[in-house]
Amino acid sequence: AQSVTQPDIHITVSEGASLELRCNYSYGATPYLFWYVQSPGQGLQLLLKYFSGDTLVQGIKGFEAEFKRSQSSFNLRKPSVHWSDAAEYFCAVGAYYGQNFVFGPGTRLSVLP
Amino acid sequence: EPEVTQTPSHQVTQMGQEVILRCVPISNHLYFYWYRQILGQKVEFLVSFYNNEISEKSEIFDDQFSVERPDGSNFTLKIRSTKLEDSAMYFCASRVGGTNEKLFFGSGTQLSVL
Repeated sequence: AQSVTQPDIHITVSEGASLELRCNYSYGATPYLFWYVQSPGQGLQLLLKYFSGDTLVQGIKGFEAEFKRSQSSFNLRKPSVHWSDAAEYFCAVGAYYGQNFVFGPGTRLSVLP
Repeated sequence: EPEVTQTPSHQVTQMGQEVILRCVPISNHLYFYWYRQILGQKVEFLVSFYNNEISEKSEIFDDQFSVERPDGSNFTLKIRSTKLEDSAMYFCASRVGGTNEKLFFGSGTQLSVL
C-alpha cells in the first residue's frame, strides 16, 4: 500500500530565508505526487503536482518541487519565504483520487519576522 | 478561481445526535469526495461519489455515514448518530473528471461532538 512520510513535524524559518520541506513516499508504480497548503481556517489548496516529464515542477506562490525516483522523494522548496507562507503543508501521493490518494501527516511552517 | 463551499464552518453537537454537513461543489464538476482530518492526524479519505452513487468508500465510512446529492447542486454528508471520535475537520472536494484533474477542496467544517 502506498504511504507518505514527512519527517519534519514543525519547521521555523526566518522571513527571506530559503525553505525545503521533505516528503518521502512508498508507491508500487509511477506515482502522481502533490503538495497542498492549508492556511489557518482555510481549505487545502494545491501548490503543485507531478505526473510525468520534467522532474522539477513549478507551482503557485513561488514554490517548486523536485521528484527524485531513486530517493522516493518529492521535496518542496522556496528560495525566499514570506510571512504569509506560514501554514501547514501536506504531501500526497496517488494514481487517482479516492481510497488510494494518501496524504502525509503534514509539516507546520512558522515564519519569524 | 472557482470554489467549493462548505457550511457550516463549525458545528457542535451532542453525542448520539444526527448531523448533516453541507457542501456546494463547483458547478461543472462530476466527482465529489469527503475527507476528514482528526486534530493532529493525517487527512483521511471517506468516500467518493459519481453519477449519483458511491464509487468508493473507506473503512471509516460505516453504516453511520451516508452521502447524498439531493438537488443537483448540494452534496451532503450525514452522520446518523455521532460519536466522540467523529470530532474532526471534514473536507468536501470536487473535480471535473479524468485521472489527472485538479481536486478542489472546500475550507472544511469543524465538527465537535460533546
